Amino acid sequence: AQSVTQLGSHVSVSEGALVLLRCNYSSSVPPYLFWYVQYPNQGLQLLLKYTTGATLVKGINGFEAEFKKSETSFHLTKPSAHMSDAAEYFCAVSWGTDKLIFGTGTRLQVFP
Amino acid sequence: DGGITQSPKYLFRKEGQNVTLSCEQNLNHDAMYWYRQDPGQGLRLIYYSQIVNDFQKGDIAEGYSVSREKKESFPLTVTSAQKNPTAFYLCASSTDRHYNSPLHFGNGTRLTVT
Repeated sequence: AQSVTQLGSHVSVSEGALVLLRCNYSSSVPPYLFWYVQYPNQGLQLLLKYTTGATLVKGINGFEAEFKKSETSFHLTKPSAHMSDAAEYFCAVSWGTDKLIFGTGTRLQVFP
Repeated sequence: DGGITQSPKYLFRKEGQNVTLSCEQNLNHDAMYWYRQDPGQGLRLIYYSQIVNDFQKGDIAEGYSVSREKKESFPLTVTSAQKNPTAFYLCASSTDRHYNSPLHFGNGTRLTVT
């Protein structure tokens, strides 16, 4: 069965430090890849998406992610964390006409 | 501004009562979805609709029902048959019927059943 794995349900970083949130998926078939962010008691907002083309994708709020087919990964990074980045982040993967599968989420804490 | 409106934000019900959660969109999107979110479990698909007057069960449809009489509206009814209804419910929409388009989410309804 197809699956999405987010390693680490909680990640803590200091303000100004690198943010790295990991996402791996199960199938080698080229997927559509998404990262969403959720602030407390709100819905999810799209951060970035990969469909085709350049494997390094830039999103909102300074986030970016790189699609690595050989590693079946789509890790999310940001060079310098801000306090406002504290939220829950979800990776989601679709194989086109199949359903969209969400990871279980990673809660990012940013310490001053 | 276009978007998705879910109401109410908080809902409290007694066990054994049916309750309907509202979801309205003015994005002119064809597809609409209902997800359930529980701590540590991510999002699970309850029902989805790719066109008016048609909808499909998702992974956890038991105890839920939906209708899609208008393109803009996709209400979810949580019935008394749902064994564990307390959760955060999210409605979403997308531009087309395929899963390669981003989802637009509402701000959710938090349902508490006691």
